[in-house]
Amino acid sequence: GAGVSQSPSNKVTEKGKDVELRCDPISGHTALYWYRQRLGQGLEFLIYFQGNSAPDKSGLPSDRFSAERTGESVSTLTIQRTQQEDSAVYLCASSLRQGAQPQHFGDGTRLSIL
Amino acid sequence: QQQVKQSPQSLIVQKGGISIINCAYENTAFDYFPWYQQFPGKGPALLIAIRPDVSEKKEGRFTISFNKSAKQFSLHIMDSQPGDSATYFCAASPVGSSNTGKLIFGQGTTLQVKP
Repeated sequence: GAGVSQSPSNKVTEKGKDVELRCDPISGHTALYWYRQRLGQGLEFLIYFQGNSAPDKSGLPSDRFSAERTGESVSTLTIQRTQQEDSAVYLCASSLRQGAQPQHFGDGTRLSIL
Repeated sequence: QQQVKQSPQSLIVQKGGISIINCAYENTAFDYFPWYQQFPGKGPALLIAIRPDVSEKKEGRFTISFNKSAKQFSLHIMDSQPGDSATYFCAASPVGSSNTGKLIFGQGTTLQVKP
């Protein structure tokens, strides 16, 4: 596709459930990033992929959060046993290669935990 | 630990006026400074970016001013228009193949341009 695609665009789930968020980066982009944006706040870095390896997971807030990437394409962010504080917009971005800018963002998944 | 501080949190400007948003950073390893524009329900979109080897960059009505010694940079929007009403984020990152390129964002500024 022409841009970064994320699905679902909205997700409402009950506390304690697991959720999976999907990101399709721009074709040919080897670098992929996940960020979290809480209401009215800036973006917080979660995890970085180069190809299908994740050399920087330093932003993952707890062991309930995990992510994987298939080759140089789709990535999924999984949140287990969701808590209300996980409510946020989860944004994915991709760039051409490691260290390259700019990053191109998807429109995010708005996650609401009831 | 917040490494990029952005101000003001919100800004109201009359149509045709100048909007100014400021950011300060702490990490001297940063050498790429973008500004992103975000409309409600959309992801951030790159507006303009600067490297520290220049003190100013202009693209249309948008200008970044950069002060390396003060570790500050700012976005100026000239002739502000109602369509510029959005949230603006500054960010910073070290670049180069040895770095991940992750962006450290400011807290955002909500700009409202009144007709």
